[in-house]
Amino acid sequence: DAKTTQPNSMESNEEEPVHLPCNHSTISGTDYIHWYRQLPSQGPEYVIHGLTSNVNNRMASLAIAEDRKSSTLILHRATLRDAAVYYCILRTSYGGSQGNLIFGKGTKLSVKP
Amino acid sequence: EPEVTQTPSHQVTQMGQEVILRCVPISNHLYFYWYRQILGQKVEFLVSFYNNEISEKSEIFDDQFSVERPDGSNFTLKIRSTKLEDSAMYFCASSEARHDSQPQHFGDGTRLSIL
Repeated sequence: DAKTTQPNSMESNEEEPVHLPCNHSTISGTDYIHWYRQLPSQGPEYVIHGLTSNVNNRMASLAIAEDRKSSTLILHRATLRDAAVYYCILRTSYGGSQGNLIFGKGTKLSVKP
Repeated sequence: EPEVTQTPSHQVTQMGQEVILRCVPISNHLYFYWYRQILGQKVEFLVSFYNNEISEKSEIFDDQFSVERPDGSNFTLKIRSTKLEDSAMYFCASSEARHDSQPQHFGDGTRLSIL
């Protein structure tokens, strides 16, 4: 799977928007961009995914660069419950991929009250 | 909202003993996975399972590991002869389909401690 690069950590204030960046310069045309998060002492949790167009759901928005070499997960109003490690993961439907997720170190988001 | 459940939440076992970790995936899901996370490290893929057989496994998933779907609801991970380095959080996940647009839903894990 193609590699992603994320900052090790970020801080945000409660009630403010948060933009979590991810670089994936070697992304291929068939790679989906997935975001998961892991709250303390819990399993990973699916957040959002996209292929080419920007995506919105009840949890977050995903902005994908036109060349697809980077993306940004946007939390519109951070809450204390959003403090977690956020993982940007590329998944390919090409080449016999069996669907397993390859996690990196992610970005640890801290939210200050 | 349906969820993946795992039992037990914490398992303590003597080195060399067998251990079985249990998972109940979401009921209409067809693909099942095990991952592990050693304390302070990344989440690592172990194995995927579909149609009663292993689809893919990582290098970690050696002969000491096995998976089974003994009935229509449970999905288990067995470690035959545990080692100290098997101490980790073990996460089960399931998805409706294998396609890479499909999200995986994770349980909250079993903490395995090998003494």
